[in-house]
Amino acid sequence: DQQVKQNSPSLSVQEGRISILNCDYTNSMFDYFLWYKKYPAEGPTFLISISSIKDKNEDGRFTVFLNKSAKHLSLHIVPSQPGDSAVYFCAATGTASKLTFGTGTRLQVTL
Amino acid sequence: DAGITQSPRYKITETGRQVTLMCHQTWSHSYMFWYRQDLGHGLRLIYYSAAADITDKGEVSDGYVVSRSKTENFPLTLESATRSQTSVYFCASSVSGDGYTFGSGTRLTVV
Repeated sequence: DQQVKQNSPSLSVQEGRISILNCDYTNSMFDYFLWYKKYPAEGPTFLISISSIKDKNEDGRFTVFLNKSAKHLSLHIVPSQPGDSAVYFCAATGTASKLTFGTGTRLQVTL
Repeated sequence: DAGITQSPRYKITETGRQVTLMCHQTWSHSYMFWYRQDLGHGLRLIYYSAAADITDKGEVSDGYVVSRSKTENFPLTLESATRSQTSVYFCASSVSGDGYTFGSGTRLTVV
C-alpha cells in the first residue's frame, strides 16, 4: 500500500517556466513533509520541507504548498532551469522517525 | 573526509552468495537507514537504526540482515542473494530521524 504517491512519473517544462510537481499521501499521522532531488549516479539530496502547521514554505526558487484537508502537497520551481532536471522524491514522516518516499517524478527542463 | 560513504559503488554477485554493503558516517548521527531504489517503486525502507545496537525492520526487510555495533557503521548483508535483490542501495543518516543525508549508493547486480 503506497502511502505517498507521485502520480506523474515524468514532467517536461521549458526553461524559465514554472514546474509543478505533485504528491498525495494517505496516512493522517504524517506531519512533516520533504522534497528530495536526485541526479543520476548520486544519492538524493534534501531540497525543502514543510511542517503540517504551515501551508507554505519558500526557499528561493522553490516553494512547497501543503493542503492537509486534501492530503496533497506540491513543489513549485520558478523559474525552471536546465540544472533542475532530475528526479524529485516527495517524502513524509510522522512519529516513527523514518521517511516514507514516493515513487519519484523525473523533471526535464528543456531549452 | 566528513560525510557518509558507501562501499562498494558497484557489485556483481551470483545467486545464493552472501554479500555485505558497507555504510560509514562521520557525524555520529543517531539514526541510520537503508533504502533500495527500484523503477516504479521509488525508495523503499529496508532497515533502520535509532542508535547503536538498536535496529528495526522496514517494509522490504526479507532476505536482509543489519547490525550496528558502532554508531558510525551500519552494514547491510544479503544472506543469500536473489535476482530480485538487484537494485541500487542507499544508506542515509540523520540526527533526529528526518532530514536525511544520503550516501552515493551501491549498484548491486545479482546474476
